[in-house]
Amino acid sequence: GAVVSQHPSRVICKSGTSVKIECRSLDFQATTMFWYRQFPKKSLMLMATSNEGSKATYEQGVEKDKFLINHASLTLSTLTVTSAHPEDSSFYICSLPGPLGEQYFGPGTRLTVT
Amino acid sequence: DQQVKQNSPSLSVQEGRISILNCDYTNSMFDYFLWYKKYPAEGPTFLISISSIKDKNEDGRFTVFLNKSAKHLSLHIVPSQPGDSAVYFCAASGGTSYGKLTFGQGTILTVHP
Repeated sequence: GAVVSQHPSRVICKSGTSVKIECRSLDFQATTMFWYRQFPKKSLMLMATSNEGSKATYEQGVEKDKFLINHASLTLSTLTVTSAHPEDSSFYICSLPGPLGEQYFGPGTRLTVT
Repeated sequence: DQQVKQNSPSLSVQEGRISILNCDYTNSMFDYFLWYKKYPAEGPTFLISISSIKDKNEDGRFTVFLNKSAKHLSLHIVPSQPGDSAVYFCAASGGTSYGKLTFGQGTILTVHP
């Protein structure tokens, strides 16, 4: 499967600041990447689909102005949590689609907003 | 609206025995189903998948069964090993959500030596 990296793996920030999370495909190019978040002991929830060369597609209920997504290249997508608040604390995970409809996930980023 | 449900939050199995993880779905447009394994603070790892044109898919110790009429799928792990202990998520895609995955809540599997 695809090799996906995320950076940083953990980040702690203060309320009101912005945090950028990077998702990289290390072994093939991806025109589409997905961003998920997972609350403790909960399921993974799709936030948005990152599209190279065009705007991201957000799921219902996800604020696009708060969660800025930029698909800068065929191997890099970034998620910026703007004006972070404690309720944004979560585990954020990106994924790349595989050839058969499966997805390959990055290792995730634990965000804690104090 | 939880379209993919895993009603058992946890399952405990003895090493060497069979583990059976269950998943139900409500969206009849789903046509592709997947199972993922996840350790804490890590991303999910793809295990096995099945298309709706099949009712069974096998890969080593892992077998996924699909019952479309009941909108139910299950993952069988045999023989279970302590290293299989993790959270297992089922996921589905299809219809208007093609390419996107809808996940269940997960089942914590513990395999005792």
